[in-house]
Amino acid sequence: DGGITQSPKYLFRKEGQNVTLSCEQNLNHDAMYWYRQDPGQGLRLIYYSQIVNDFQKGDIAEGYSVSREKKESFPLTVTSAQKNPTAFYLCASSIGAGYTFGSGTRLTVV
Amino acid sequence: AQSVTQLGSHVSVSEGALVLLRCNYSSSVPPYLFWYVQYPNQGLQLLLKYTSAATLVKGINGFEAEFKKSETSFHLTKPSAHMSDAAEYFCAVSDGGATNKLIFGTGTLLAVQP
Repeated sequence: DGGITQSPKYLFRKEGQNVTLSCEQNLNHDAMYWYRQDPGQGLRLIYYSQIVNDFQKGDIAEGYSVSREKKESFPLTVTSAQKNPTAFYLCASSIGAGYTFGSGTRLTVV
Repeated sequence: AQSVTQLGSHVSVSEGALVLLRCNYSSSVPPYLFWYVQYPNQGLQLLLKYTSAATLVKGINGFEAEFKKSETSFHLTKPSAHMSDAAEYFCAVSDGGATNKLIFGTGTLLAVQP
């Protein structure tokens, strides 16, 4: 079945460390998105990509980076510049008005 | 710019009672509107969406929502709450345009009391 796979489900990061969250889709969707979820704040857009080799900053891009080298993959790197990275991260893809979400990665700073 | 406001961060109903979750939107173009449900530590599941067809949209699990342009609202309802409806609900808007970004409300946590 087609869908989005996020890995790992849980991730722990030490202070000053970069970590990369994986997002893979086999839906043949052109667009992909990364959202950050914090309690009481809903989902906020970090980065999005409409086509391969192109991506744009969302509302809270500082401290994050992405790449889109393949249509199927849109990894998110949380850099040491992100001072408060503990959150739930959701990846999504879309075609037209149809959006599909992954099951999320919970990142915790230890 | 588009935005979504969900009134009430916490809503509590009794089992069997009406569920009403409120959502108002702001959009300069005809919007696409969505309701999602999220269970703890899981992704988002689509309940229903409005894409300029019928203004009364029926979704899964007995939920429905009505698009009211004059009130810029898209409230979610269910006639009779079930214990399994306890979850967090998000309203979202998209312009369906070039960026096609989904903009979310801050969510409403629904509790169902026995």
